[in-house]
Amino acid sequence: AQSVSQHNHHVILSEAASLELGCNYSYGGTVNLFWYVQYPGQHLQLLLKYFSGDPLVKGIKGFEAEFIKSKFSFNLRKPSVQWSDTAEYFCAVRGDTGFQKLVFGTGTRLLVSP
Amino acid sequence: DVKVTQSSRYLVKRTGEKVFLECVQDMDHENMFWYRQDPGLGLRLIYFSYDVKMKEKGDIPEGYSVSREKKERFSLILESASTNQTSMYLCASRSVNTEAFFGQGTRLTVV
Repeated sequence: AQSVSQHNHHVILSEAASLELGCNYSYGGTVNLFWYVQYPGQHLQLLLKYFSGDPLVKGIKGFEAEFIKSKFSFNLRKPSVQWSDTAEYFCAVRGDTGFQKLVFGTGTRLLVSP
Repeated sequence: DVKVTQSSRYLVKRTGEKVFLECVQDMDHENMFWYRQDPGLGLRLIYFSYDVKMKEKGDIPEGYSVSREKKERFSLILESASTNQTSMYLCASRSVNTEAFFGQGTRLTVV
C-alpha cells in the first residue's frame, strides 16, 4: 500500500522568500502524484499533478514540483511567496494500476508574513 | 464548472445519534470518496465507491458505513455518533484519469 510523508508540519516565511515543501512517498509501482492546497475556510484545490512525461510540473499561482523517481520524492517549490499563499498544503499519491486509493500526507501549514 | 456539494457545512449531533452526511457530484464521475480531516493527521480515507452500489473500506472505516444508490450521490452514515467522530468530513469524486475534486466539507461536532 502507498504512503506519503511530508517533512515540514509548519513553515513560516516572509514575503518574497523562496519555498520548498518536501514530499516523499512509498509505493512499489508507477504513481500519480498531486499537490493540493487548502486556503483558510475553503475547500481543497488542486495545485498541480504528475501523471507521466516531464518530471518538472508547473501548476497554478507560480507553483511547480519535481518528480524524482530515484528518491521517491515530489517536492513543491515557489521562487517567491506572497501573503496570499498562506494555506495548508497536502501531497497525495495514487498508484496508477487498477483502482487505487488516493493517499494524503499529513499536510504542511504555511504562514507567510507580510 | 466541476461541483461536489456536501449537504451541510456545520452539524452538531448528540452522542448515540445516527448521522447522515450527503454528497452529490455533477460530473458523472465513477469514483467517490469520504475522508476525515484532523489537525496533524491530514486526510484519512474512510470509505470509497468505484461504482453504484459498490463500496470499499478505506483506512479508518470503523463506526461508519456508506450508501451509493445513484451514481451522483454518496452518503456517509455514522451508525451511533461518538465524540471521537468530531471532525471535518470531506467528500471527493473523480473519474478514472482525473484528479479528485473536493466538496467544501462538513464540520461535525458530536456532543
